[in-house]
Amino acid sequence: DTQMTQSPSTLSASVGDRVTITCRASQSISTWLAWYQQKPGKAPKLLIYKASSLESGVPSRFSGSGSGTEFTLTISSLQPDDSATYYCQQYNAYSRTFGQGTKLEIK
Amino acid sequence: QITLKESGPTLVKPTQTLTLTCTFSGFSLSTSGLGVGWIRQPPGKALEWLALIYWDDDKRYSPSLKTRLTITRDTSKNQVVLIMTNMDPLDTATYYCAHLTVLKDAFDIWGQGTMVTVSS
Repeated sequence: DTQMTQSPSTLSASVGDRVTITCRASQSISTWLAWYQQKPGKAPKLLIYKASSLESGVPSRFSGSGSGTEFTLTISSLQPDDSATYYCQQYNAYSRTFGQGTKLEIK
Repeated sequence: QITLKESGPTLVKPTQTLTLTCTFSGFSLSTSGLGVGWIRQPPGKALEWLALIYWDDDKRYSPSLKTRLTITRDTSKNQVVLIMTNMDPLDTATYYCAHLTVLKDAFDIWGQGTMVTVSS
């Protein structure tokens, strides 16, 4: 089973900052990676699929990159509404696994 | 507009079987390239993928839970059902169903979730 490790677990940043979250896979998953944003009490929202494709309606300040085993989610200019927990999720060999999440707080 | 909604019991006893239903609209699970999955989230913890069923009735399960899970579909009712046997207090969680397209291979539309508590 492919394990996903996110870092950091928590992150505090200021409005306007550039923020990067990393996700590492225990084996190569090509570009089969998605990123989700979840706010308290709400269902997750898809941000990025296939490592770097921006989901329709998602602000362009969100971007994804990477392939193989290392991936990043970048927020180019942090906004107050971006306070949330972010999860990566892989697809490999007929299985899916989520990372443990990164909680992003606004200073 | 695609919507999904989970339904089922809010409380089950240990060792009982849980049956959850996902009722959806705005798409047909007979359409090539589509799927519906189940994901859960214990209180304060991370998301955990459980199962996925595709338009062609192909099914996938979490390796760690596959002996306890069954996923089925009823295309005439636009429903997907998840059955989980031998429930334990550790299965207490919010259970979500979500729409998937093979082109994205990601869950792009989610239901609101339903909280299930396992307790005697």
